[in-house]
Amino acid sequence: AQSVSQHNHHVILSEAASLELGCNYSYGGTVNLFWYVQYPGQHLQLLLKYFSGDPLVKGIKGFEAEFIKSKFSFNLRKPSVQWSDTAEYFCAVNPPYSSASKIIFGSGTRLSIRP
Amino acid sequence: GAGVSQSPSNKVTEKGKDVELRCDPISGHTALYWYRQSLGQGLEFLIYFQGNSAPDKSGLPSDRFSAERTGGSVSTLTIQRTQQEDSAVYLCASSLEARTSGRVGNTGELFFGEGSRLTVL
Repeated sequence: AQSVSQHNHHVILSEAASLELGCNYSYGGTVNLFWYVQYPGQHLQLLLKYFSGDPLVKGIKGFEAEFIKSKFSFNLRKPSVQWSDTAEYFCAVNPPYSSASKIIFGSGTRLSIRP
Repeated sequence: GAGVSQSPSNKVTEKGKDVELRCDPISGHTALYWYRQSLGQGLEFLIYFQGNSAPDKSGLPSDRFSAERTGGSVSTLTIQRTQQEDSAVYLCASSLEARTSGRVGNTGELFFGEGSRLTVL
């Protein structure tokens, strides 16, 4: 079935470590891609998005993501994490050939940062 | 209002009862979404509205689930004859829509409410 996959369910890192969270999707054609974040006790908010152009997208709080079309991937990265990055991260896709506004989310990756 | 508002924030009900969950989107947002968030399951797409119509209802789990939107604003998600597996956080989000490459598309930023936590005993 067509889907969005986040293989890391829970990632634990120490402060200043580098981060990469995986996201793969199984839709062909042109997709729009997003990363959302949910900090403890807060609601989901947009971290960054890719529609077209430069496949390396920069978002808020030092996060970036790279769209690799040949790998159907949109991995999230941050060179040096902070304790405040503890949150749940969701990859999302606006699939092609569907209702234009439909957005499908992955199952999420919980990130825990040790101070 | 300033953000997406959902009510109730918490609802505990008995199996077999009907529940209604309400979402008040950001003023001017034409797209409205319902998702279900269960522990370890991520966000499950239920339905989305473009204005008052629902182009995609494919995510509704069963015919016990229905949703409507009136006046291009408030939406209600109704679950009839609730079951224990319906227990979850129901999230509403709204968004502006923009025309991109000849089709109406999403600007990408969904604004989420706090959610309605439903517990079915």
